[in-house]
Amino acid sequence: DAGVIQSPRHEVTEMGQEVTLRCKPISGHNSLFWYRQTMMRGLELLIYFNNNVPIDDSGMPEDRFSAKMPNASFSTLKIQPSEPRDSAVYFCASSLIPTMGGYTFGSGTRLTVV
Amino acid sequence: QQQVKQSPQSLIVQKGGISIINCAYENTAFDYFPWYQQFPGKGPALLIAIRPDVSEKKEGRFTISFNKSAKQFSLHIMDSQPGDSATYFCAARGDSNYQLIWGAGTKLIIKP
Repeated sequence: DAGVIQSPRHEVTEMGQEVTLRCKPISGHNSLFWYRQTMMRGLELLIYFNNNVPIDDSGMPEDRFSAKMPNASFSTLKIQPSEPRDSAVYFCASSLIPTMGGYTFGSGTRLTVV
Repeated sequence: QQQVKQSPQSLIVQKGGISIINCAYENTAFDYFPWYQQFPGKGPALLIAIRPDVSEKKEGRFTISFNKSAKQFSLHIMDSQPGDSATYFCAARGDSNYQLIWGAGTKLIIKP
């Protein structure tokens, strides 16, 4: 099992540009989470999908952020337009049974907006 | 009431010593308490977890102690090794039954 795969690993973009982060969850997992990690705010849940359906997007900071999960093996997190304060490490995590709490995280995408 | 408070923020321990990280919570509805370990450049990885009907769980050198009445739980790392140097996060599962409420993290350094 290759684990949760995120791409790209690093992204540097200019303010105002569109950024798309990608995630491939573990095969067979039915839940997917997007997190943002910063020194100031720690780990923040952005959005939670169950069986490809967004269940909780209350953590999405604003309308500039959007996430999709078109099928069980792929999800994207898009920021448009990006701002310097979006600079952070973005993690995708997946889980077989969300109520068990055992999330498997990807290695993250380090986003820098200049 | 949804917070999980973690301490200390950073910890330095000599090789072979015991590392202790503490967490406290308020919500008595929490029913699952995991600890995650994160190395630089990697995502958090589940280390060990406990449910409130058990006071202690041990896996190798890692032990969770759970005090339900005090609403506290702690991670003990016995015979700490330089390879244990990482950031450790406690968490608790919230009322939503899927969302983990995270502690702020503890950066642990084991000195050789």
